[in-house]
Amino acid sequence: NAGVTQTPKFQVLKTGQSMTLQCAQDMNHNSMYWYRQDPGMGLRLIYYSASEGTTDKGEVPNGYNVSRLNKREFSLRLESAAPSQTSVYFCASSEAPGQTYEQYFGPGTRLTVT
Amino acid sequence: QKEVEQNSGPLSVPEGAIASLNCTYSDRGSQSFFWYRQYSGKSPELIMFIYSNGDKEDGRFTAQLNKASQYVSLLIRDSQPSDSATYLCAVKGNTGGFKTIFGAGTRLFVKA
Repeated sequence: NAGVTQTPKFQVLKTGQSMTLQCAQDMNHNSMYWYRQDPGMGLRLIYYSASEGTTDKGEVPNGYNVSRLNKREFSLRLESAAPSQTSVYFCASSEAPGQTYEQYFGPGTRLTVT
Repeated sequence: QKEVEQNSGPLSVPEGAIASLNCTYSDRGSQSFFWYRQYSGKSPELIMFIYSNGDKEDGRFTAQLNKASQYVSLLIRDSQPSDSATYLCAVKGNTGGFKTIFGAGTRLFVKA
């Protein structure tokens, strides 16, 4: 099992450009998440999908959109990148959204917006 | 007040010592508590979880939970240089889709 995979690993964008971060999991998990991690800020939830066909906003959703393509895949789109979106982005999945289920993280995408 | 607070460190301990990492949280309804380890440039990986008051031991790691004080800690016994990493405390509430809130993490440095 590959677990949670993310593409690309690194990306540099100019302000105003758009891009989609891809995430896939092969653990048959129902729930998937997108986080960003900035120095001193910890992980902040951008969007999550409790189950296939549903998506909800997290703590910092502005400037992002998501698509739960199927049970395996959950993509994050930046429509018009801004320097404030320079960060490390992690995708995660869990068996279910309930309290007892821990999250498994992908390797991350390091995004720089100039 | 941040929802999950941790001392950012760095916490420096000698090899073989006990490292004590602390975390406080604000949501009294929180039910699940997780400790993740994150090496520099890597993704977080789960090392412990605890749901009930008291202690939970797994090898060299012990998680301690006190819901009345809204406090959770992680003890690492016989610390090794390979334990040097950032430790993230995560708290899952019982509302809002069971979202997990992460602390900013404590950097641990174990000196050989």
